Amino acid sequence: DVKVTQSSRYLVKRTGEKVFLECVQDMDHENMFWYRQDPGLGLRLIYFSYDVKMKEKGDIPEGYSVSREKKERFSLILESASTNQTSMYLCASSLFRGRMAFFGQGTRLTVV
Amino acid sequence: GENVEQHPSTLSVQEGDSAVIKCTYSDSASNYFPWYKQELGKRPQLIIDIRSNVGEKKDQRIAVTLNKTAKHFSLHITETQPEDSAVYFCAASLGSSNTGKLIFGQGTTLQVKP
Repeated sequence: DVKVTQSSRYLVKRTGEKVFLECVQDMDHENMFWYRQDPGLGLRLIYFSYDVKMKEKGDIPEGYSVSREKKERFSLILESASTNQTSMYLCASSLFRGRMAFFGQGTRLTVV
Repeated sequence: GENVEQHPSTLSVQEGDSAVIKCTYSDSASNYFPWYKQELGKRPQLIIDIRSNVGEKKDQRIAVTLNKTAKHFSLHITETQPEDSAVYFCAASLGSSNTGKLIFGQGTTLQVKP
């Protein structure tokens, strides 16, 4: 089974903190994604990466950055957390030229 | 930008009835359309997908239909069971590129009443 693992299920951070969300996949997938899930809005793409050190902005990149130093790991960084970044964050991976995306279990981030 | 519209946002059916969820997409180059099921507190999981060269695909009680002309695709669940209760997301590939980027609908919360 493909495994996409996110480092935390729940996080509580203070406004202004720098926050790191980590994601690791074990299937040698080229593509990795970070989504944000909010009620009524579905899944919105924040950033994605199709290769090591490569990244592209998604639909809502403002306030976020990413890092992909190794193929299996994709990190989402909130440079200065704000309350409007309170959300569920989902990581996903897929093969290059593939379509099926496998999701991590999600990180529920609360910014207070 | 490109988008996917999904309806209804909530759907309640009696056990044994059928459920239909509909999506429309805007990117005429989209060629891959997956459906994900997310149970409460769990990760989204792929339940069925269809590519643009096919009009319909079935897997036991689940079927998906695609109308490329109308840019419309639907999920059909027959003989619904309580364990079908979940949030369902449709998605469409962004263009025909191979990046794997997907645009998701807003989600449909399906409740199957015993």
